[in-house]
Amino acid sequence: AQTVTQSQPEMSVQEAETVTLSCTYDTSESDYYLFWYKQPPSRQMILVIRQEAYKQQNATENRFSVNFQKAAKSFSLKISDSQLGDAAMYFCAYRRDHNMDSNYQLIWGAGTKLIIKP
Amino acid sequence: GAVVSQHPSWVICKSGTSVKIECRSLDFQATTMFWYRQFPKQSLMLMATSNEGSKATYEQGVEKDKFLINHASLTLSTLTVTSAHPEDSSFYICSARGQRYQPQHFGDGTRLSIL
Repeated sequence: AQTVTQSQPEMSVQEAETVTLSCTYDTSESDYYLFWYKQPPSRQMILVIRQEAYKQQNATENRFSVNFQKAAKSFSLKISDSQLGDAAMYFCAYRRDHNMDSNYQLIWGAGTKLIIKP
Repeated sequence: GAVVSQHPSWVICKSGTSVKIECRSLDFQATTMFWYRQFPKQSLMLMATSNEGSKATYEQGVEKDKFLINHASLTLSTLTVTSAHPEDSSFYICSARGQRYQPQHFGDGTRLSIL
C-alpha cells in the first residue's frame, strides 16, 4: 500500500526567507501524481502545486516549487520569499494513476504546520 | 474556475437529529466526489467516494447507514449524518473531480457540532 510521510510536524521561517517542507512516499507504481495542498486557518484546502511522475522537470508556481526525486521517492516543497499569508498547514498527497482505479483517491501525509515570523 | 461550494459551513444541533451537508461543483461537472472527515490537528480521513448515479464506496470502518451519501447529479452530492451523536462532531470536507487526470478541488468544509 502507498504511504506518504511528512516528518516535520512544524516549521517556522522569517518573512521573506525561503523554507523547504519535506515529503517522502512509498509506492511500487511507476505512474502517479503528487500534490501539495495548503490549509490556512479558514480550513479550506487549496491546491498549491502538482507533479506528474513521468515528468522529469520540477513543477513551479510563482513562489512555490518542488524538488521531485523519483528514485529517492522524495517530493519537497520550496516556498521562496515567504509571506504572512503562507502561514498554514501543508499537506503532501499521492495519487496513483492506474487504469483500473477510476476513483483516483488521494493518500495524505500528516501535514506540516508552517509559521511565518514577521 | 473549479469552484466547489459546500453548505452549511457550520451547524449546531441536538443529539438524535439528522443533518444534511451539500457539496456542489459550480463551474464543472464532477464525475467523482469525495467526503472527508478531519479531526483537530490531523490530516484528512477519507470516508467515502461517490460517482454520479451509482452507490458510494465507503472506506473501512465508516458506517454507511450512519453517513448516507447521494450523488444524484454531476454537480451535487449530499452527505446526511443520520441520528447524529456528540461523537459525530467534526469537520467534514467534500471535494470534487472532473476528468480522471484532474486534481480534486475542495469545498470550504462544514463544522458539525452535536450537543
